[in-house]
Amino acid sequence: DGGITQSPKYLFRKEGQNVTLSCEQNLNHDAMYWYRQDPGQGLRLIYYSQIVNDFQKGDIAEGYSVSREKKESFPLTVTSAQKNPTAFYLCASSISVGRARYNEQFFGPGTRLTVL
Amino acid sequence: QQQVKQSPQSLIVQKGGIPIINCAYENTAFDYFPWYQQFPGKGPALLIAIRPDVSEKKEGRFTISFNKSAKQFSLHIMDSQPGDSATYFCAASSSGGSQGNLIFGKGTKLSVKP
Repeated sequence: DGGITQSPKYLFRKEGQNVTLSCEQNLNHDAMYWYRQDPGQGLRLIYYSQIVNDFQKGDIAEGYSVSREKKESFPLTVTSAQKNPTAFYLCASSISVGRARYNEQFFGPGTRLTVL
Repeated sequence: QQQVKQSPQSLIVQKGGIPIINCAYENTAFDYFPWYQQFPGKGPALLIAIRPDVSEKKEGRFTISFNKSAKQFSLHIMDSQPGDSATYFCAASSSGGSQGNLIFGKGTKLSVKP
């Protein structure tokens, strides 16, 4: 059963704590992405990775960090430096802009993070 | 120049109506225009996509119209149903390199009344 999984579905964090969101895909996609979604803001790109052991900042990378040690996994850490972390976080993947001409992205079910 | 402007922000139609959602872009390098459908609490799902070599694409009740000269594209939902109530996002990207990242509109919340 191919797809993208994100865990946990809901996450609660106290102020000042770091927290890591999981994203796994078994689609054999090269590229993976993290987006943040706030009401009325659409989807904003946090980080993306087109290949293992390499990643780039998106539009709103401050206060976040990522790693890409395996092709299947792209965890996102929300650090205490992120001033307003409460949001819905979405992970996506695509074949890659090198192997496919168009960036057809597929999304996971999301993680809702709430800072208490 | 990287923005995609989507309108309206919200839309209410009666069952059977034809909601139309519009998007406009500036970057002439964009050559891929997908639409995503998102239900509350779920991730967006790819609905339909168009490339600039065609002016219209239909998949079931969903149609994309594309106007290259005006740099606009629209989603039409024929015979809309209450189950179509969701938030719809348009997006655009250009092929190749980091410029291949999708640029999303801010979304349209559609409500179809029974």
